[in-house]
Amino acid sequence: DAGVTQSPTHLIKTRGQQVTLRCSPISGHKSVSWYQQVLGQGPQFIFQYYEKEERGRGNFPDRFSARQFPNYSSELNVNALLLGDSALYLCASSLTGTGIYKGEKLFFGSGTQLSVL
Amino acid sequence: DAKTTQPPSMDCAEGRAANLPCNHSTISGNEYVYWYRQIHSQGPQYIIHGLKNNETNEMASLIITEDRKSSTLILPHATLRDTAVYYCIVRAQNSNSGYALNFGKGTSLLVTP
Repeated sequence: DAGVTQSPTHLIKTRGQQVTLRCSPISGHKSVSWYQQVLGQGPQFIFQYYEKEERGRGNFPDRFSARQFPNYSSELNVNALLLGDSALYLCASSLTGTGIYKGEKLFFGSGTQLSVL
Repeated sequence: DAKTTQPPSMDCAEGRAANLPCNHSTISGNEYVYWYRQIHSQGPQYIIHGLKNNETNEMASLIITEDRKSSTLILPHATLRDTAVYYCIVRAQNSNSGYALNFGKGTSLLVTP
């Protein structure tokens, strides 16, 4: 079975532009989470979606938005890009939405490297 | 915010056991401790997780203290391919999501020949 797939793998944008990143979870997984990883830091939680509903949001501005589709794939949108948005954006999938309280495992994709110039 | 404390870097000789410590003194009673690792420019890879008891799988062993305030990840026979950043993870408190994982900065493990 394929793992978590993300596209594109690399992207270059300029300040003020908008970007859409895509994620396909592992087959059968219904929950998708998004993380941002700035160079030299650990990943930071952005969003979690389960059954097309937002189940959690991290401390990110409203320029960041996401959605999940009926096939459980997901998109992350970032508007009005800033230089500080340059980062590796990671998508993770899991079977259900129970999370860390039930010992559920997250499986990460290889990420999309976004560079904002 | 529940968080973890790990040494920033460690070295280990190939073939020897690598013991990576982590402090998580503010962890809640029903939260698991997870360990992931990340090789440069790749997504984090799941290693192991536990709640109260020690755990072992094909990759590693996890030793959790009785008070749950700290844990140790053990790679029994480290290889050069185990060189990576290792994250000890608990849930971030500033979110209502069970997937808001607090990765921290991790431990950069270098396995040498």
